[in-house]
Amino acid sequence: DTGVSQDPRHKITKRGQNVTFRCDPISEHNRLYWYRQTLGQGPEFLTYFQNEAQLEKSRLLSDRFSAERPKGSFSTLEIQRTEQGDSAMYLCASSTLAGANTGELFFGEGSRLTVL
Amino acid sequence: AQTVTQSQPEMSVQEAETVTLSCTYDTSENNYYLFWYKQPPSRQMILVIRQEAYKQQNATENRFSVNFQKAAKSFSLKISDSQLGDTAMYFCAFMKGDDKIIFGKGTRLHILP
Repeated sequence: DTGVSQDPRHKITKRGQNVTFRCDPISEHNRLYWYRQTLGQGPEFLTYFQNEAQLEKSRLLSDRFSAERPKGSFSTLEIQRTEQGDSAMYLCASSTLAGANTGELFFGEGSRLTVL
Repeated sequence: AQTVTQSQPEMSVQEAETVTLSCTYDTSENNYYLFWYKQPPSRQMILVIRQEAYKQQNATENRFSVNFQKAAKSFSLKISDSQLGDTAMYFCAFMKGDDKIIFGKGTRLHILP
């Protein structure tokens, strides 16, 4: 069991560029979550999937953000036309349905985005 | 909307001492879960302890225990016999049903040798 893996771990980009992050959840975990964490803050919910269905999106997720989980396994989070305010750590977490009912999420190490 | 408040941005204690981290929350729900998650430096966040709101008994996990005061909407974490490996950010968190987890801003805990 390799845990939740995220790629890339670090991304530096110029304002206006598009970036994509990938998350590979623990095998057979139905639920997959994306959170954003800025310096000195707790993780803020962005969106989550149950299998391939996107069940909820936060109002934080502007039109420039899109997330997919096409086959119910890995997920991608794309940010278009990045802005300096998008600089943050993007965390992915996964869980079984039973785990989701009891809050047992398994987090990846995150993808840190720096927008210059 | 639910909110989670951690009023201690940073704390330091000597190794082997006991430390208590505070958390308050606001909700109109009656059934929910509360959690403490730990985020060590440069490592992934892990679940430390979980409390179900309908249970009156405070949860314990080895050296970690909580003081859950439902009426006061308070949920503190006590770490006994603190160890260097306890150095981390600690997040108090809330969840209703199987909805998303809402996190507080965190408390940075330093365990000093």
